[in-house]
Amino acid sequence: DAKTTQPNSMESNEEEPVHLPCNHSTISGTDYIHWYRQLPSQGPEYVIHGLTSNVNNRMASLAIAEDRKSSTLILHRATLRDAAVYYCILGQGGTSYGKLTFGQGTILTVHP
Amino acid sequence: DTGVSQDPRHKITKRGQNVTFRCDPISEHNRLYWYRQTLGQGPEFLTYFQNEAQLEKSRLLSDRFSAERPKGSFSTLEIQRTEQGDSAMYLCASSFSPGLGPILVSPLHFGNGTRLTVT
Repeated sequence: DAKTTQPNSMESNEEEPVHLPCNHSTISGTDYIHWYRQLPSQGPEYVIHGLTSNVNNRMASLAIAEDRKSSTLILHRATLRDAAVYYCILGQGGTSYGKLTFGQGTILTVHP
Repeated sequence: DTGVSQDPRHKITKRGQNVTFRCDPISEHNRLYWYRQTLGQGPEFLTYFQNEAQLEKSRLLSDRFSAERPKGSFSTLEIQRTEQGDSAMYLCASSFSPGLGPILVSPLHFGNGTRLTVT
């Protein structure tokens, strides 16, 4: 399985943008890039996914490098509720999707 | 959308006992997944079902573990002869797969898990 590399932790101030990086140099052409987050005492929550183009949804934006070897999850205005562990995961679509390989993720701390 | 429901939220058992967990997925979802998460680690895939068929099992799922989804709706995960190393959070997730033609990526919806402590 292709692997991802994320910083162990990051900090942000409330209402400021947050850029969470992810390196995936061994990504294959069919791998989607998924982001999930896990709030304390809860199960993971889907944030966003993409294949080649940048993606936006109500929660976040996903910026994918042109060579697809890295990506960045962007939270436009961090709130205290965004404090969580953020996981960047590579996975294929189709029948293999759902068998996700989570790493240790990035612990995001948001300061008031 | 009532979300994925797991029961119980917490279970404490003595080593050697059997335990069973239940997961109720989102009603229109045909795929159901089980993951395990230990402290400080990300979730690890255990197994998944498409409707009632168990399509894949991780090698993490020893012979003491069995999962069922008898009618393609709720699922149970049983651990026999529990060991202290089984202490973890057991997470259930569901998604929808159209199954035919171009297959889309459908996000997983996770429950809040069952925390198992084996003493």
